[in-house]
Amino acid sequence: DIVMTQTPLSSPVTLGQPASISCRSSQSLVHSDGNTYLSWLQQRPGQPPRLLIYKIFNRFSGVPDRFSGSGAGTDFTLKISRVEAEDVGVYYCMQTTQLPKTFGQGTKVEIK
Amino acid sequence: EVQLLDSGGGLVQPGGSLKLSCAASGFTFSTYAMNWVRQAPGKGLEWVSSISGDGERTYYADSVKGRFTISRDNSKNTLSLQVNSLRAEDTAVYYCATELSGIYSYWGQGTLVTVSS
Repeated sequence: DIVMTQTPLSSPVTLGQPASISCRSSQSLVHSDGNTYLSWLQQRPGQPPRLLIYKIFNRFSGVPDRFSGSGAGTDFTLKISRVEAEDVGVYYCMQTTQLPKTFGQGTKVEIK
Repeated sequence: EVQLLDSGGGLVQPGGSLKLSCAASGFTFSTYAMNWVRQAPGKGLEWVSSISGDGERTYYADSVKGRFTISRDNSKNTLSLQVNSLRAEDTAVYYCATELSGIYSYWGQGTLVTVSS
């Protein structure tokens, strides 16, 4: 199974300041079709997960442009350029390159 | 508007069974693979099972293989998960999610399964 490791697990951030979350996979997420199926999900308190970013850097419909994704191979990053109060929650990276689909442990973003 | 309505959860004794359902609307159901993902209380996300758009191919996590069965009815836009031989460690919120080309676009609100005597 591909293990997804996120750092940090907790990220206290001042409103308006940037935040960054790292995700590392135990093996390359490049699929045989050439795509890299790495996504980022946001889960606000008491809510289901919500797709933010897919295939490393593509923002899903309706996602603010303060969210951006980058990386390649086994190392990926989610950045929030200026954290807003509504960004509080847990963020997960997820790989769908290979079965079983696996998730990172989650990173809790909270306001200082 | 895409909507996924999860239902069927509840309190069940160890060894018991339940059938979870996900009613879909707002998109062409048969063109999407569908998934079940669960989240134990206070824990992270765990993929459980997937089914192709035509229902021909199914996949399971090792932790549920042989106990859970995923199915779909494209005429009724409904996804199901039959969960048998339940264990305490199956206690979780179960979410259905759409999948197109490896992208988990939409998620249901979840249904809670509690396994306890």
